[in-house]
Amino acid sequence: GDSVTQMEGPVTLSEEAFLTINCTYTATGYPSLFWYVQYPGEGLQLLLKATKADDKGSNKGFEATYRKETTSFHLEKGSVQVSDSAVYFCALSDLHSGGYQKVTFGIGTKLQVIP
Amino acid sequence: GAVVSQHPSRVICKSGTSVKIECRSLDFQATTMFWYRQFPKQSLMLMATSNEGSKATYEQGVEKDKFLINHASLTLSTLTVTSAHPEDSSFYICSARDMGIFQGGGETQYFGPGTRLLVL
Repeated sequence: GDSVTQMEGPVTLSEEAFLTINCTYTATGYPSLFWYVQYPGEGLQLLLKATKADDKGSNKGFEATYRKETTSFHLEKGSVQVSDSAVYFCALSDLHSGGYQKVTFGIGTKLQVIP
Repeated sequence: GAVVSQHPSRVICKSGTSVKIECRSLDFQATTMFWYRQFPKQSLMLMATSNEGSKATYEQGVEKDKFLINHASLTLSTLTVTSAHPEDSSFYICSARDMGIFQGGGETQYFGPGTRLLVL
């Protein structure tokens, strides 16, 4: 079955540091890839996505490139802020045997940014 | 963007009671909604897929008689936790698929803010 692997964290960075959160996946089909962010006590928000190989998703300074050859979708940001502190989930969407798109999530990586 | 709401946001109940959680798509129609459960410091686990006008499809290991799902309209799905017990305490999140948007190769699900259930 499909799976998503990402670093558990927590990842602690100083403000303005460079961020990388690794994500790799396995899928039976040709999935779309997503990063979601969850702030404390809240639900998930879509951060960015990519639907085909070599696509780059970007939003709020974050970006990730769909790498089919390495089955990866690493999340990066050049300069993090305290407000970026949250849990980040890598996910893929693939066609389920039931005919719908099923989303599979990674375990989530907690990011803590200190002033 | 598409907005999904959940109600209530937080509920505390006694063991043995039933709790209903609503999931609504506010500005789009959703033939399919999904219910997830998230344990502390863990990822989201898909519980079931809710299809408008038909029975829900449950993932392996999820008790369909305990977690009743009803998708009565294109904008509303409900999850009822029957005879709740402390081990049912969790964060329940729904998502909806916008039937008006299909991006080739994949589709986006929009998530509700979640409902935190505490069973005493």
